[in-house]
Amino acid sequence: KNEVEQSPQNLTAQEGEFITINCSYSVGISALHWLQQHPGGGIVSLFMLSSGKKKHGRLIATINIQEKHSSLHITASHPRDSAVYICAVVNNNDMRFGAGTRLTVKP
Amino acid sequence: GAVVSQHPSRVICKSGTSVKIECRSLDFQATTMFWYRQFPKKSLMLMATSNEGSKATYEQGVEKDKFLINHASLTLSTLTVTSAHPEDSSFYICSARAYRDTEAFFGQGTRLTVV
Repeated sequence: KNEVEQSPQNLTAQEGEFITINCSYSVGISALHWLQQHPGGGIVSLFMLSSGKKKHGRLIATINIQEKHSSLHITASHPRDSAVYICAVVNNNDMRFGAGTRLTVKP
Repeated sequence: GAVVSQHPSRVICKSGTSVKIECRSLDFQATTMFWYRQFPKKSLMLMATSNEGSKATYEQGVEKDKFLINHASLTLSTLTVTSAHPEDSSFYICSARAYRDTEAFFGQGTRLTVV
């Protein structure tokens, strides 16, 4: 079993839909990142969380440390949100990655 | 957010040659840099961790003589793929972190194709 599990693996949505991507982890962490990887490969860090909730524009990230679970929500999704979203957990000097969720938003 | 610049973004090289990839932190001092490899449709795989001024720590299964990592300054780390083979073709990404900071910033990645 992977230490970082993401679901779903693939997600197709219609423009405007509310999207949720989930991340569960089994190790102790000091922080959790949500990353966005575009088709060209470049990676952008969307959020770093250690507790609670963060919001940036249409993106919301939450984390429940007790349940070892985090979610990334996208409101009013748009085709430009199409990308791979990766959950990464930080433990000391170590970063472990989920397999990613490939999101496709259709117009 | 902080900026990490990785260069080149794409490189094609012949088998047997060496390729150097640079990772620079432009606006902060990166005491730790990480090098990752990504296979098609797979997640990132950590290759090695380097702390400024120290030898890199390689993950199990990563050949240190093949993937040479240098982190000689607080703003620059390099990954050199020596005697490249077609199976080394992959997407390589660096990330950098300041001292005691859990936030990491990613380079744009380098797509290496060995022909």
